[in-house]
Amino acid sequence: GAGVSQSPRYKVAKRGQDVALRCDPISGHVSLFWYQQALGQGPEFLTYFQNEAQLDKSGLPSDRFFAERPEGSVSTLKIQRTQQEDSAVYLCASSGRLAGYNEQFFGPGTRLTVL
Amino acid sequence: KQEVTQIPAALSVPEGENLVLNCSFTDSAIYNLQWFRQDPGKGLTSLLLIQSSQREQTSGRLNASLDKSSGRSTLYIAASQPGDSATYLCAVSGRNQGGKLIFGQGTELSVKP
Repeated sequence: GAGVSQSPRYKVAKRGQDVALRCDPISGHVSLFWYQQALGQGPEFLTYFQNEAQLDKSGLPSDRFFAERPEGSVSTLKIQRTQQEDSAVYLCASSGRLAGYNEQFFGPGTRLTVL
Repeated sequence: KQEVTQIPAALSVPEGENLVLNCSFTDSAIYNLQWFRQDPGKGLTSLLLIQSSQREQTSGRLNASLDKSSGRSTLYIAASQPGDSATYLCAVSGRNQGGKLIFGQGTELSVKP
């Protein structure tokens, strides 16, 4: 596609509910990143994939957060038993072969609100 | 651990002024530095990418400089317009960070007509 797309754009969940957020990276981009952005803050790193391999998940805040990219393209970020502190914008970014060296392109984000 | 700081947190200027946004980082072992724009409720739009070997990049009315040794970058916006109103974020990708971006907290810019 022309850019990174994310769905849904908005998600309202009741506390305790499970949610799944989807990211479609730019076609051909091997690197995919997830970030979490709290209100009024800069984005913070969650996890990184190179193709289907999850190379870094050091930013995932708890074991309720799980991400996958089984075929090396679309990625899903799953949050189990959502809590109010999970309310944030979840951003996905993709980049070319040399992660870190190449520019990252961001999707529009998914705004998650946990009631 | 890499830390990125942006000053000021908020800035309000009249239309037509030239302005400078500042970004500093603590670990100079970086691959690159990116400046982004974020409109309310939107994702991040990449404005400029400066590789560690470069000193500056220009795009239209925007000019970004990088002084890696002192851990500083500036984003210069010439002849500001109300449409420039947004939050500006800088982020670094470092050799000790595995490719992820470390962001500052952003500068919220308001350009008044």
